[in-house]
Amino acid sequence: AQTVTQSQPEMSVQEAETVTLSCTYDTSESDYYLFWYKQPPSRQMILVIRQEAYKQQNATENRFSVNFQKAAKSFSLKISDSQLGDAAMYFCALGNNDMRFGAGTRLTVKP
Amino acid sequence: SQTIHQWPATLVQPVGSPLSLECTVEGTSNPNLYWYRQAAGRGLQLLFYSVGIGQISSEVPQNLSASRPQDRQFILSSKKLLLSDSGFYLCAWSELGGGYEQFFGPGTRLTVL
Repeated sequence: AQTVTQSQPEMSVQEAETVTLSCTYDTSESDYYLFWYKQPPSRQMILVIRQEAYKQQNATENRFSVNFQKAAKSFSLKISDSQLGDAAMYFCALGNNDMRFGAGTRLTVKP
Repeated sequence: SQTIHQWPATLVQPVGSPLSLECTVEGTSNPNLYWYRQAAGRGLQLLFYSVGIGQISSEVPQNLSASRPQDRQFILSSKKLLLSDSGFYLCAWSELGGGYEQFFGPGTRLTVL
């Protein structure tokens, strides 16, 4: 069975600062993919970043980057230069054809 | 470009009534299709996914069912709704195969009274 754990129900960050959201997972698969999705108040799910497990290089997308530690089964998201528009629920997800989501972390950005 | 539609946007139904939520995708062929439920303030629970017409994988045994009568149409149904079926239902699609980004619809908020 695949599981995803997000141990931080809520996080807050000052505008322009950096914040890291944690995610750990468990899977018996050797080939899998990891994702971070953002869900703003509109509830529209938006992909933030994607990581292929066979790639050792950490994925980056502009201000968003991940720290992928395959042996530790850890996949954290770092948001640099936080902006007010980054305020949302963030979900870590693991999968291939199917997908498992964590419970989410609510990020608040303080002006 | 690809788009995904869900309807209705909101629905209030009495306990014991039937349910039919529809999801359609445009601009792609042979997509993987997914139904998720999100309880208030919680993560997404995968209910069903489909890799082709008539092929449905069920993740959670319950009183819900799914069907895929056409390549780009995915329907979530129930014969008799329970109070616990209330939630936010999201449909998503991805390219056929594993590991691709899932694109989500706008969702349906279902309240069972």
